[in-house]
Amino acid sequence: NAGVTQTPKFRILKIGQSMTLQCAQDMNHNYMYWYRQDPGMGLKLIYYSVGAGITDKGEVPNGYNVSRSTTEDFPLRLELAAPSQTSVYFCASSYSLRQRSGELFFGEGSRLTVL
Amino acid sequence: KQEVTQIPAALSVPEGENLVLNCSFTDSAIYNLQWFRQDPGKGLTSLLLIQSSQREQTSGRLNASLDKSSGRSTLYIAASQPGDSATYLCAGPTQGGSEKLVFGKGTKLTVNP
Repeated sequence: NAGVTQTPKFRILKIGQSMTLQCAQDMNHNYMYWYRQDPGMGLKLIYYSVGAGITDKGEVPNGYNVSRSTTEDFPLRLELAAPSQTSVYFCASSYSLRQRSGELFFGEGSRLTVL
Repeated sequence: KQEVTQIPAALSVPEGENLVLNCSFTDSAIYNLQWFRQDPGKGLTSLLLIQSSQREQTSGRLNASLDKSSGRSTLYIAASQPGDSATYLCAGPTQGGSEKLVFGKGTKLTVNP
């Protein structure tokens, strides 16, 4: 099983450029999440989705957009990249965190640098 | 709003030692709590998930406990090995029945041979 797959693994952007981080899961999970992880700051939730067509903001959504057209895919769009968006981005998925087997599965991460 | 705290931020122990990692949370109305492991440059891997109705959950040399009344969870690692070196994070629901997690900042564990 591939689990949660993120692409690209590394990317360097110039200030003002835009890009999309791709995330796909093959576990038929309802819930998908985007986090960013910064040194000393822990994981912060950017956006999440409870199913195809339904998304909502997390703790730090400014400068990002998401869509969920299928159960499998949950891309994260960065518009007008800024140095403050330099971070490691993680996509995660779960069938339901409330279930007895409600583990959260993570991708390997995408390291983004904005110069 | 749920807050999750992990102390210490880093821990270094000799191989073979038993150790305890601590996690505290402010909102005791949680339905479960998860412990994760993160290796350098990698994503997080779920180690143990403890339901609110449980007090302990075990997997191999790992044992996690949950005390909702005191707002604390511990991860016990028996007979530590160098391969256990990693960052360990705990996470709980942001509030009530939320399907979102809030994470602690983690404890970086180094097990010295």
